[in-house]
Amino acid sequence: DVKVTQSSRYLVKRTGEKVFLECVQDMDHENMFWYRQDPGLGLRLIYFSYDVKMKEKGDIPEGYSVSREKKERFSLILESASTNQTSMYLCASNPTARMSGANVLTFGAGSRLTVL
Amino acid sequence: AQKITQTQPGMFVQEKEAVTLDCTYDTSDPSYGLFWYKQPSSGEMIFLIYQGSYDQQNATEGRYSLNFQKARKSANLVISASQLGDSAMYFCAMRENNAGNMLTFGGGTRLMVKP
Repeated sequence: DVKVTQSSRYLVKRTGEKVFLECVQDMDHENMFWYRQDPGLGLRLIYFSYDVKMKEKGDIPEGYSVSREKKERFSLILESASTNQTSMYLCASNPTARMSGANVLTFGAGSRLTVL
Repeated sequence: AQKITQTQPGMFVQEKEAVTLDCTYDTSDPSYGLFWYKQPSSGEMIFLIYQGSYDQQNATEGRYSLNFQKARKSANLVISASQLGDSAMYFCAMRENNAGNMLTFGGGTRLMVKP
């Protein structure tokens, strides 16, 4: 089974701190994604990457950056955390495939970040 | 405009009964896929079922079926014979052909199964 591992399940940080959320997948997937989940809003895409050192903005990239130096690892960075970034962060991956058929996203367990 | 709309923030169902979770979508892309995910309290998103826009038959996976009505742009999830373990958040999502491998998610429905 594909495994997507997020390094921290729970983090508490202070306003202004730099925060790193790490995600590792073990199935050689080309595509990796960072979503943010908030009640009533579902999951919103922050950034995604389709190859090493490549990144694309999602729907809500402001206040975030990402890094993908190795194929298996995709990091989400909050340069200066703010209270409105308190949320659940979900990492996901999938292989590049033809559009026909399900190309299922596999998710990590999530990282719940609280910014005080 | 919302691409995926789930109008039921929360629902109750009696154990062993069937339940329908609503999902409507908005796209002008003729080629797209629709997904349902389950998120239990542990937080991990679990893939349940997929329907392609050109699929002729409604998708089924065990107790899960997808009631796909293309003209109405709806993709409702039907869970038959509800179990206590079905209590979770359920998310509908769509991938459009012109959006590559990204999924757009709805706001979710919290399902609570009563014993």
